[in-house]
Amino acid sequence: KNEVEQSPQNLTAQEGEFITINCSYSVGISALHWLQQHPGGGIVSLFMLSSGKKKHGRLIATINIQEKHSSLHITASHPRDSAVYICAVPAAMDSNYQLIWGAGTKLIIKP
Amino acid sequence: AAGVIQSPRHLIKEKRETATLKCYPIPRHDTVYWYQQGPGQDPQFLISFYEKMQSDKGSIPDRFSAQQFSDYHSELNMSSLELGDSALYFCASSPVGGNGELFFGEGSRLTVL
Repeated sequence: KNEVEQSPQNLTAQEGEFITINCSYSVGISALHWLQQHPGGGIVSLFMLSSGKKKHGRLIATINIQEKHSSLHITASHPRDSAVYICAVPAAMDSNYQLIWGAGTKLIIKP
Repeated sequence: AAGVIQSPRHLIKEKRETATLKCYPIPRHDTVYWYQQGPGQDPQFLISFYEKMQSDKGSIPDRFSAQQFSDYHSELNMSSLELGDSALYFCASSPVGGNGELFFGEGSRLTVL
């Protein structure tokens, strides 16, 4: 069974700072998800990636399959980026929806 | 762009009552997944449907049932509600021939009193 570790668990930064959240997993995967969950619960899928790097606006996600590690970066952070960021990987190679969820990183961006 | 729509967003029920949650996937998404997230817990996969047929089953209690309709929307029916059923219920969908990417709804928060 895959295990997921995220770091840091909590992160407070000033508006404009560059943010990095890390995720490591233990078993080979087909793809990795980065998700955002705001207070009140709604989950937003940010990225699904299986190799390399993806960029969407101020968000960048990278993955190193050999090292079993992924990072989520936020450039020019803004208070509206404050949320919990979750890394999730499939529990098995043939099951992309039965996900093992990281503990999440609670990000607070101060104005 | 259209997103996954869940209703109701909030629902309060008493023990032993019945609740129904609805999920409307993104157009041209044929697969729907249901997850349950208890307070302070990770979302747990409950059940999924592909082309109106149940495709996989997770930790869904026998008191719960679900189906997917001809318009691809799905309903999760929960009977004999227990206090422990209080949770955030997420629906996600994925597209026809997709690469496995999941698109989540905002969730339906069920409170059982």
